[in-house]
Amino acid sequence: QKEVEQDPGPLSVPEGAIVSLNCTYSNSAFQYFMWYRQYSRKGPELLMYTYSSGNKEDGRFTAQVDKSSKYISLFIRDSQPSDSATYLCAMRLNYGGSQGNLIFGKGTKLSVKP
Amino acid sequence: NAGVTQTPKFQVLKTGQSMTLQCAQDMNHEYMSWYRQDPGMGLRLIHYSVGAGITDQGEVPNGYNVSRSTTEDFPLRLLSAAPSQTSVYFCASSYHRPGPNTGELFFGEGSRLTVL
Repeated sequence: QKEVEQDPGPLSVPEGAIVSLNCTYSNSAFQYFMWYRQYSRKGPELLMYTYSSGNKEDGRFTAQVDKSSKYISLFIRDSQPSDSATYLCAMRLNYGGSQGNLIFGKGTKLSVKP
Repeated sequence: NAGVTQTPKFQVLKTGQSMTLQCAQDMNHEYMSWYRQDPGMGLRLIHYSVGAGITDQGEVPNGYNVSRSTTEDFPLRLLSAAPSQTSVYFCASSYHRPGPNTGELFFGEGSRLTVL
């Protein structure tokens, strides 16, 4: 079992829909959780960052972490065609040495149709 | 502000050839890393470094070498290219200490390598 599991999709939704993206993980020691967005032929860019459990909201984006279930989610409200990209979840144990390395999910490809 | 710069952006090699992918960052980040991204496999860590003179292996290090002689540069060397190394390679950097920053990993644009 890979440490981080993410449904690769693809996921296609109409403009204005609410999108839910999810990852599960097996290592309960992960403390830092992130979502990256990657446009085609570009490098990933950080979208959301959460430390430990809880919710974080930034505009149309909400990140949730449920450590008891080892499950993280990204919600996109009022989705736009410009949100069409691959979304990668990532997590890290801590800072320092190998604990600082990010472990990525495989990414979910999202397409928002006008 | 250049951020993380990778060269070349595209490269075609023949099996057995060697080459170096260059990576430079201008953000004074301690941590630098190389990932490869393959369809259906996600981003996999090849090698990483937490400072000049310090390197270590990631998940898929075989066939690759790295060195870190300066804070800014972290080249990735393919010793004897194989078709299995056909991939998109990303260099990334970040601060590597707790603090007000998030430890955000900044990525380059990627280097697309084809080995024939």
